[in-house]
Amino acid sequence: ETGVTQTPRHLVMGMTNKKSLKCEQHLGHNAMYWYKQSAKKPLELMFVYNFKEQTENNSVPSRFSPECPNSSHLFLHLHTLQPEDSALYLCASSLAGIAGSDTQYFGPGTRLTVL
Amino acid sequence: GQNIDQPTEMTATEGAIVQINCTYQTSGFNGLFWYQQHAGEAPTFLSYNVLDGLEEKGRFSSFLSRSKGYSYLLLKELQMKDSASYLCAVRDSNYQLIWGAGTKLIIKP
Repeated sequence: ETGVTQTPRHLVMGMTNKKSLKCEQHLGHNAMYWYKQSAKKPLELMFVYNFKEQTENNSVPSRFSPECPNSSHLFLHLHTLQPEDSALYLCASSLAGIAGSDTQYFGPGTRLTVL
Repeated sequence: GQNIDQPTEMTATEGAIVQINCTYQTSGFNGLFWYQQHAGEAPTFLSYNVLDGLEEKGRFSSFLSRSKGYSYLLLKELQMKDSASYLCAVRDSNYQLIWGAGTKLIIKP
């Protein structure tokens, strides 16, 4: 596989369920990101990991819990979600560093529906 | 606050030219990105501008004016497959990416 992959592509869960989203990058990058994409809204950055260390948490509710075991894998653990959490969850990776040109490459996303 | 403005939706005809504008107000500037996102798919990188002027890549070109806080993406010889959303994003002084809400481009035969 090449690029950034995400599983599952679609997920329907109840508010009391626990599930996890998985992201894997095959680009040799050192930074990984979770974004939330809602219709007609800008991408919302949720979490950033650089070299496996969390460097950003944009006031995300604790019902979302990230995990980054190594530079190639990123998880988003979900529990007791709300219907307003229904959205497309995108994972991205980049080389990292503070170069302005550091380009993020995205996975296809997980379409999450919370009932 | 920081803000990126793009039109919500545009319509153009196959074979024509379309210009998608992006204006920004950010804390500092370290470059501007354009991404293409087909429905249900990953955003894919199109271009990066950090200096003023026009950058051309095949049918797509991107222009930047830092003094005006303005960029545009120019698509020539439009094809049906160009129907997608186009996202503008600016890297600010903290190297954070600030995203616009995207412009949905509809191509008609």
